[in-house]
Amino acid sequence: GESVGLHLPTLSVQEGDNSIINCAYSNSASDYFIWYKQESGKGPQFIIDIRSNMDKRQGQRVTVLLNKTVKHLSLQIAATQPGDSAVYFCAEIPASYIPTFGRGTSLIVHP
Amino acid sequence: EAGVTQFPSHSVIEKGQTVTLRCDPISGHDNLYWYRRVMGKEIKFLLHFVKESKQDESGMPNNRFLAERTGGTYSTLKVQPAELEDSGVYFCASSQMMNTEAFFGQGTRLTVV
Repeated sequence: GESVGLHLPTLSVQEGDNSIINCAYSNSASDYFIWYKQESGKGPQFIIDIRSNMDKRQGQRVTVLLNKTVKHLSLQIAATQPGDSAVYFCAEIPASYIPTFGRGTSLIVHP
Repeated sequence: EAGVTQFPSHSVIEKGQTVTLRCDPISGHDNLYWYRRVMGKEIKFLLHFVKESKQDESGMPNNRFLAERTGGTYSTLKVQPAELEDSGVYFCASSQMMNTEAFFGQGTRLTVV
């Protein structure tokens, strides 16, 4: 069935390195995607979004890439900091408009 | 402007008891969503309100779960009777329009013992 999934459940990086978190989706009807960051004890927080008419969008230290051909989404974090440690979720918004989440990737930043 | 708020932040109840979770969305947001995350797993959709109407409740696990949204403002999610497998973190989110960013509350951690 349709699904949103993540390739790596845990990603460990050194402070200052760049991080890349990947997400695969299979619902070709989705035209809106969001990356959320969830810190311990908090709810998911919006990081960046992208619509299907774009293939790249940049924010402050974060970049989202969308490859519709292979149905792949990635979140790049530049100069990763300890404060970036969290669980990252990608969410797709299909035609039903219900945000659908994958399992999440835990990012661990070592000082 | 206040964000999405949820109450309580934590709840520990015994199996068979009843628990009611509350969500206050951002003022003016017609869309309200309930999600649940069981330890280590994905955030799973439970249901979606548009104002006071249930737009989609396909994610509700069973009839022990009852959600309401009085007057299209705050929402409650009642679990009666609670079972061990209901433990998890329950998130509420709201959005102004469908297909726009959903803002999440901090979640309610429910533990059924």
